[in-house]
Amino acid sequence: GQQVQQSPTSLVLQEGENAELQCNFSTSLNSMQWFYQRPGGSLISVFYNPSGTKQSGRLTSTTVIKERRSSLHISSSQITDSGTYLCAMVMNNNAGAKLTFGGGTRLTVRP
Amino acid sequence: GGIITQTPKFLIGQEGQKLTLKCQQNFNHDTMYWYRQDSGKGLRLIYYSITENDLQKGDLSEGYDASREKKSSFSLTVTSAQKNEMAVFLCASSPNTEVFFGKGTRLTVV
Repeated sequence: GQQVQQSPTSLVLQEGENAELQCNFSTSLNSMQWFYQRPGGSLISVFYNPSGTKQSGRLTSTTVIKERRSSLHISSSQITDSGTYLCAMVMNNNAGAKLTFGGGTRLTVRP
Repeated sequence: GGIITQTPKFLIGQEGQKLTLKCQQNFNHDTMYWYRQDSGKGLRLIYYSITENDLQKGDLSEGYDASREKKSSFSLTVTSAQKNEMAVFLCASSPNTEVFFGKGTRLTVV
């Protein structure tokens, strides 16, 4: 089965609503990372979050490594938040840091 | 700050052709990666390299070669392009913590 499960797969919001995106991992991991991608665009790192809670503006990430899960909260959503949010598990060993991605959450924010 | 530069941005090839994609980073990161992104299939790791002249296979290495000629550059070769193939190839680098991505090379095979 998939090592990284994201939910929901898609989400439609009215501007100003909040969103909660989830990421669950089937195996132990060292850390995780959230990315944002516009259609046709590159992956932009949103959070690198080994554990605990990190905040950047309207975005908050909470990772509980022991429970193999992470969440991304978007408050007061804006139209420009639309795009795909990807989470990835990070495994560090002697062969470097390796990412395994989830399938993504496609977010649409409407006016 | 630094930047990851991928060339070319767009690549059109013919079936059976050997195609090379290039990636340069000025972060001075040890590890570099090549991922492939297909619509509806997410990102899959092709090759990665933890230092100059090192190569590690990912989940999708068949049909590809890679070369880490120096710390700052990592190239990927599609050994024989498949007809109607369309995908975005993403290069990334990391100091073995956070991973940063380039803007991608969009491949179309006719």
